[in-house]
Amino acid sequence: QKEVEQNSGPLSVPEGAIASLNCTYSDRGSQSFFWYRQYSGKSPELIMFIYSNGDKEDGRFTAQLNKASQYVSLLIRDSQPSDSATYLCAPRGGYNKLIFGAGTRLAVHP
Amino acid sequence: DVKVTQSSRYLVKRTGEKVFLECVQDMDHENMFWYRQDPGLGLRLIYFSYDVKMKEKGDIPEGYSVSREKKERFSLILESASTNQTSMYLCASNTRQVPPDTQYFGPGTRLTVL
Repeated sequence: QKEVEQNSGPLSVPEGAIASLNCTYSDRGSQSFFWYRQYSGKSPELIMFIYSNGDKEDGRFTAQLNKASQYVSLLIRDSQPSDSATYLCAPRGGYNKLIFGAGTRLAVHP
Repeated sequence: DVKVTQSSRYLVKRTGEKVFLECVQDMDHENMFWYRQDPGLGLRLIYFSYDVKMKEKGDIPEGYSVSREKKERFSLILESASTNQTSMYLCASNTRQVPPDTQYFGPGTRLTVL
């Protein structure tokens, strides 16, 4: 079993819709979770992190964490074509090292 | 602003050459990381360092070595480059002092081995 599992996609959503990106992880000891966005040919950039169970909102983005189910998700409201990218989920491990999933490719079409 | 820089954006080398990829960060971070990224495989950790002269193997260390003589600089070395090392290489850094802390990435080096 991989440490971090994400559906590779592509996840295709119409402009203005809600995109829902999911991630499961195997290490029950993980306490913090990071979501990165990566455009083609660019480096990953941080969107947000979450470390408490429940929801955390930042603008159009909402991260959701359920430690009992070992599940973290990212919702993007009012999706825009500029949101088309690969989204990487990363629980934090020892030494503050992040364990990256393979990412979900999101395509927002007009 | 945190800055992580990598010595080259694009690099073309021949099979068997020794290749050095350099990474420098300006935020006094303890941790530095080297990843490679290939289509469909995501970010795979090659090596990381949690202090000067300290290193730990990641998931795919074979064929690579690293050097960290100064806190701000972390080098990735391909002792004898092979075509299957053609990839995007990403360096990152973060602190161990205040979790949770994100990793800051450099712009990447796209290496082609012919």
